Amino acid sequence: DSGVTQTPKHLITATGQRVTLRCSPRSGDLSVYWYQQSLDQGLQFLIQYYNGEERAKGNILERFSAQQFPDLHSELNLSSLELGDSALYFCASSRDRSYEQYFGPGTRLTVT
Amino acid sequence: LAKTTQPISMDSYEGQEVNITCSHNNIATNDYITWYQQFPSQGPRFIIQGYKTKVTNEVASLFIPADRKSSTLSLPRVSLSDTAVYYCLVGAASGSARQLTFGSGTQLTVLP
Repeated sequence: DSGVTQTPKHLITATGQRVTLRCSPRSGDLSVYWYQQSLDQGLQFLIQYYNGEERAKGNILERFSAQQFPDLHSELNLSSLELGDSALYFCASSRDRSYEQYFGPGTRLTVT
Repeated sequence: LAKTTQPISMDSYEGQEVNITCSHNNIATNDYITWYQQFPSQGPRFIIQGYKTKVTNEVASLFIPADRKSSTLSLPRVSLSDTAVYYCLVGAASGSARQLTFGSGTQLTVLP
């Protein structure tokens, strides 16, 4: 158990819909990261927040957005969903500016 | 971020020592080398991180030669449960952005 929690574990929705994925980092961790893992793309970095502020942006689509709240939990919002958005979405956290990141169990999103 | 090259797959037998080598010819002065392990449908798990020479923890050892253009992850006496994908990542420790760029990784299969 990494100490990072993600909800929901599974999500099935239809094309065009909007969903919100939630992540709670390990206690004391200020950085939260979002990653997408699909069969054809591998593990892709989406976005990083550090103490409430956006710090780095990766291959995140404009239809996707994220935020980190004052209590440090984070949400990833995915809108206008397409079939290709079906993937595992991982959240990770770290104590500080470190490459030692702790990953949550992931949310499996299926878009039908 | 420095590009890394590692074998696509490796097979080993239970009880053997496994060495996975990663090439990173363009590693920069500030870059650290980090290894992650991932089981199917689970988030990656941090194994070890190093800058030069040798680092050892309860799970693995990391050997980095003086030129730092490669590194070797050593897993002592592997068991069936070590079957997983192992990722080598290289990135700078400066600044506040800490995105992890995962390559294809090495699929390690431990046979009985």
